[in-house]
Formats: sequence, structure tokens, C-alpha cells
Amino acid sequence: EPEVTQTPSHQVTQMGQEVILRCVPISNHLYFYWYRQILGQKVEFLVSFYNNEISEKSEIFDDQFSVERPDGSNFTLKIRSTKLEDSAMYFCASNPELPRGYTFGSGTRLTVV
Amino acid sequence: DAKTTQPNSMESNEEEPVHLPCNHSTISGTDYIHWYRQLPSQGPEYVIHGLTSNVNNRMASLAIAEDRKSSTLILHRATLRDAAVYYCILRLGGSQGNLIFGKGTKLSVKP
Repeated sequence: EPEVTQTPSHQVTQMGQEVILRCVPISNHLYFYWYRQILGQKVEFLVSFYNNEISEKSEIFDDQFSVERPDGSNFTLKIRSTKLEDSAMYFCASNPELPRGYTFGSGTRLTVV
Repeated sequence: DAKTTQPNSMESNEEEPVHLPCNHSTISGTDYIHWYRQLPSQGPEYVIHGLTSNVNNRMASLAIAEDRKSSTLILHRATLRDAAVYYCILRLGGSQGNLIFGKGTKLSVKP
């Protein structure tokens, strides 16, 4: 069964550094998303991406965040100047068309120290 | 945001059916009802979705009330691997499809 692949599985970074989280969505999917889950808390929506542009974003997705689909297969989330509170599991998801079900990746655990 | 209400936790015995309820009294006509589950230390996993009619797939069944204000996810024979947090989510019809997760129902399965 096709999968959404995320790399790395775990990343440790120092506060203030930039990180890039990578995702390879399922190849024929059109809609892409990033979610995060702080330990012990709910899964939170960050951003949705369609037709090479952001379609919706949450209040969490401020100027320190950006997304890109650089080459038609990868979908990246960049966090500039990381903060301690950015420590979380980050999940990428993709969807072939609305309103079908989403496929989530297994996540990247980001630890900011 | 359209909200859902689920019990915090439920218990089931292995091999028995499980009925996970969800209330969504503010649902609008174009909102889809999605169910996902999250096993420990894993990403959310799609289970099933529906609009008005009951739905079946290899994982579960979804029973939707006639007024659409509630739904029930049915696992026909619970296994230990079904122990997870189950989320009932309304995917808003007018949106780009963002899922707003609640706290879900933590299902425990006893051998």
C-alpha cells in the first residue's frame, strides 16, 4: 500500500537554528498538509497546500514557518529560528482529492534544546 | 469550527464488537464525517468516512444517524491491535479539507 514517507524520524536541533522536515507524499495525491502534535496533546493543523500554493494555514503557522514543494515529489516544512516550544511530532499528510481519507506519514520527532 | 463530542475512554474485550459513539449536532449539510485512529507513537491512520449513508470497509463500519447529528464507528471484532485513540472529525465541506482533531476516545482492548 502506498505510504507517505517522512525524514528524518528524529531531529535534535539547538534553539535558534533552522530545520527542514521532509516528506514524500503519495505520487498521485494533490493535497498536502502538515500537522503537529506536542507530547500528550492534540494533533494540530498547521498548513494545507494545493496547486503549488498554501490554501489554508492555522494561527500556529506564523512567519517562522514555510512550506515548499521544490521538485514535484518532496514537500518540506521549514522552521526558521526554532524555539523550545516547537518541540513536537510533525506529521505530513496527503490526499488524492477531497473528500477522501488522508494518508499520514509516521512523523518526525523534533526536539529543540 | 464544527465540533464533535466523544467519550474520553472505552474498554472492550478482544473478539467482541465495539461501538464508538460521536455526537456532532452542529454538522452542516456538506460536512463529511471522518474517523481516524492513532496507535501509540504513530501518526493518525484513516479508518472510514461518510456523508449520509452508512459505510463499510475492511477496517470498520460507520453508522450515521438519519438526522446526521451523531454517528457510530463499529469495529466488528476488536483485536489487541485496535487499541488506539479514535478521532471523529467533521471535514468541513467548504474548506480545503483541514482536519480539526479533538481529544478522541481512547479504546482499550482486554485479552
